[in-house]
Amino acid sequence: DAKTTQPPSMDCAEGRAANLPCNHSTISGNEYVYWYRQIHSQGPQYIIHGLKNNETNEMASLIITEDRKSSTLILPHATLRDTAVYYCIVRPITGANSKLTFGKGITLSVRP
Amino acid sequence: ETGVTQTPRHLVMGMTNKKSLKCEQHLGHNAMYWYKQSAKKPLELMFVYSLEERVENNSVPSRFSPECPNSSHLFLHLHTLQPEDSALYLCASSQNPRDYGYTFGSGTRLTVV
Repeated sequence: DAKTTQPPSMDCAEGRAANLPCNHSTISGNEYVYWYRQIHSQGPQYIIHGLKNNETNEMASLIITEDRKSSTLILPHATLRDTAVYYCIVRPITGANSKLTFGKGITLSVRP
Repeated sequence: ETGVTQTPRHLVMGMTNKKSLKCEQHLGHNAMYWYKQSAKKPLELMFVYSLEERVENNSVPSRFSPECPNSSHLFLHLHTLQPEDSALYLCASSQNPRDYGYTFGSGTRLTVV
């Protein structure tokens, strides 16, 4: 059951902001939105997560719409090293034994 | 270096061989996971361990046998694998199973010939 929908790919120019969309129209009130990325031949890397409010850290910003049905991950100044597959994941806050379930993600290509 | 170390990085094995993948974490985490990533497919969760007890087994064939002797080490024992088991095997850890800030290792690229 696909809880999130992401475009298969996008590109952006180096130095520009990369805005990666994610739809999660069936998200429930106790589910967080998580973003991970996987650079080629490496393991996934946690980026950021949020529930309702927008979040920012040293890697990215997460903007969640008021109805929580979609979100955008923003890389403010993309570099070539940001080329990766980005996964948007929704997960419940509670649950005795959680598991992080990955979809196909969106492939971001940063061009020089 | 993420704090989760997997060895070996690459492994080629025959279908009749027995081999083991090793994962070690120095983050003080209590939960560890095995994921499988086949070509052009999403990551699939295989096993979840919490405080050295297996808490989830996602219908993985018995030719994959996990072992968690302590909270810092996780093994995946392999025997009589099939060519379709060729994949990237990723280990991850987290503070506890409800902590979604997983830290992943770089994986073991397994080829079954």
